[in-house]
Amino acid sequence: DAKTTQPTSMDCAEGRAANLPCNHSTISGNEYVYWYRQIHSQGPQYIIHGLKNNETNEMASLIITEDRKSSTLILPHATLRDTAVYYCIGSTGGTSYGKLTFGQGTILTVHP
Amino acid sequence: NAGVTQTPKFRILKIGQSMTLQCTQDMNHNYMYWYRQDPGMGLKLIYYSVGAGITDKGEVPNGYNVSRSTTEDFPLRLELAAPSQTSVYFCASSLAGGLYTQYFGPGTRLTVL
Repeated sequence: DAKTTQPTSMDCAEGRAANLPCNHSTISGNEYVYWYRQIHSQGPQYIIHGLKNNETNEMASLIITEDRKSSTLILPHATLRDTAVYYCIGSTGGTSYGKLTFGQGTILTVHP
Repeated sequence: NAGVTQTPKFRILKIGQSMTLQCTQDMNHNYMYWYRQDPGMGLKLIYYSVGAGITDKGEVPNGYNVSRSTTEDFPLRLELAAPSQTSVYFCASSLAGGLYTQYFGPGTRLTVL
């Protein structure tokens, strides 16, 4: 699975869009990009995933560059409850189980 | 649905003691997983199961055992606890493997002294 690189921490003002970058330059053609987040002391929560097209759901948008070497998770109107660690994960899903390799993620702090 | 539940929430063990961490899901998911998370780190897979009666090792299985006698339950057994097993343990489940979303429980915080 692809190695992903994320900034250690980011800040965002409440109500503004939070844009979280992820580099995955070694990603292979059949690897999906997953985003999970972990709010303090809780279990990780699925946000979104995509292969090469941009994706949007009720929580966030995922923008993947054309060369697939990087992506950006967008929380359109960040709230204080979005303060969490955000994990970008590359996974083929091709194993017999859902292999998710969690790195250290980005600590997003949303300020009032 | 309660989703994925874990008990206990917290536990302190002495070195050499044993215990079982309980995990139950009510979503009729076939796949279940156990992860551990050390302070400031990401999650690491301990064991997983693709269905009742079938389990397999993940990245860090040493010191742990699992069983899966029912679809709903996936207990994790620690034998001869060691300080290196101090961690937060998360159970997760998914409908199937591959690209299916994993749903996580609230975690069990274990300290071994």
